Amino acid sequence: QSVLTQPPSVSAAPGQKVNISCSGSSSNIGYNFVSWYQQVTGTAPKLLISENHKRPSGIPDRFSGSKSGTSATLAIAGLQTGDEADYYCGTWDSSLFSLVFGGGTKLTVL
Amino acid sequence: EVQLVQSGAEVKKPGESLTISCKGSGYTFTTTWIGWLRQLPGRGLEWMGIIYPDDSETTYSPSFQGQVTISADTSIRTTYLRWNTLEASDTAIYYCARRGFGWTFDYWGQGALVTVSS
Repeated sequence: QSVLTQPPSVSAAPGQKVNISCSGSSSNIGYNFVSWYQQVTGTAPKLLISENHKRPSGIPDRFSGSKSGTSATLAIAGLQTGDEADYYCGTWDSSLFSLVFGGGTKLTVL
Repeated sequence: EVQLVQSGAEVKKPGESLTISCKGSGYTFTTTWIGWLRQLPGRGLEWMGIIYPDDSETTYSPSFQGQVTISADTSIRTTYLRWNTLEASDTAIYYCARRGFGWTFDYWGQGALVTVSS
C-alpha cells in the first residue's frame, strides 16, 4: 500500500488531454514539493516535473504539474502514442522521514 | 553530460552477499547526493537511502535501515549498495539517481537487475 494514492490506470485518445492525480496528506504533499516521473516499459524513470510545476530542460510544455492542499496533478496535453508509460508522483514525508511515491499510473493512449 | 552508469545484472543465491555500483560523471560528484531506489517486479518505486559522497553522510529509509549499506569512493566517483545476506525477496531492479533540488531525482542510472534464487 503506497503512501501516495494514484489511479492505477488512465486512458485517452491521441491529441486529447489527461490528468493524473496524486493524493497524500499534510505530512507529505501538504508540506513538501512534489515531483513526477515517467517510466517507459523496460527503461529507467525520467524526471518530468519538480517543485510541483517546474519542467526540466527538454521536457515539452505539454506536461504540466500543479498542487493544491494535499493533492497534486500531472496534466498531459496533446497526447502522443510515445506518452504511453507509467507515471509516478513522489515527495518527502515529514512524519515517516522517508521519500515516498505513489503506486504509479499506467497511461494508455488509445 | 551527466551520466550514471551502473554495474550489470547479477544472479545470486540466498544467503550470499552482493555489492552493486554506480559511477557518476559530468557533474561535481563529491558534493551531489546520490540515492538508491528499488523496483520490485511489476511494482512501483521505493526509496532505499541516500549518500553525500564528500563525507559519506548517509540517510536510510526506515524500511531499509539495517538491510543494506550505502557507501561511496570519491577517488573513482562511485557509490555502492551492499547486501550482506541476500534473500529471494531482494529480487528487483535497483536504480541509483542523482538528487536535484529538494527530494527530486533528476538523473537516473540504467538500473541493475538483481535475481536471488536457489
